[in-house]
Amino acid sequence: GAVVSQHPSWVICKSGTSVKIECRSLDFQATTMFWYRQFPKQSLMLMATSNEGSKATYEQGVEKDKFLINHASLTLSTLTVTSAHPEDSSFYICSAGDRAREKLFFGSGTQLSVL
Amino acid sequence: AQSVTQLGSHVSVSEGALVLLRCNYSSSVPPYLFWYVQYPNQGLQLLLKYTSAATLVKGINGFEAEFKKSETSFHLTKPSAHMSDAAEYFCAVWGTGNQFYFGTGTSLTVIP
Repeated sequence: GAVVSQHPSWVICKSGTSVKIECRSLDFQATTMFWYRQFPKQSLMLMATSNEGSKATYEQGVEKDKFLINHASLTLSTLTVTSAHPEDSSFYICSAGDRAREKLFFGSGTQLSVL
Repeated sequence: AQSVTQLGSHVSVSEGALVLLRCNYSSSVPPYLFWYVQYPNQGLQLLLKYTSAATLVKGINGFEAEFKKSETSFHLTKPSAHMSDAAEYFCAVWGTGNQFYFGTGTSLTVIP
């Protein structure tokens, strides 16, 4: 079964609304969670890295007030796209890992479409 | 900062021919290195990973990769391409700074 559960798998929302995406590690405690976005026929772009109990580290060019990341426990991280606009439409993927134990697993992704 | 470079955004091989997808990393300390495959409209599938054990790593579907510190490379190979190998391939690095970055990807086409 899936080690990392990501929900929802797809979501359609109206422009201006906020959308929350959940990423849960099911079989292990993830000290680190990563969030990516992927445009069609492009690579995965790292948005932010979050360690449990501390603030996320955002990559250059990623608006932290736009993409809110919470990693309150070792098994759950959430990405909230605030005031979504059509240009936020993309495929978002999370991963959960523990580098010291050489564990890293990806969620199945969320396709966000903003109308 | 650690990063990976994939040479060749598109690679075409004939069915049965050798597959070679190139990946070079930049890091003063050998990082963990990964190869993933992504089929159209699907998620990522791990092919193999290097985490400082054996330098020749064997993965699924007949793929393997060799970590070469002197060349800062982690090229992916398969002796004989199958039609089902046509997909997008991503090299990735997990550095000591704990960020996990993907390369730009290589699209593999297999010609019958």
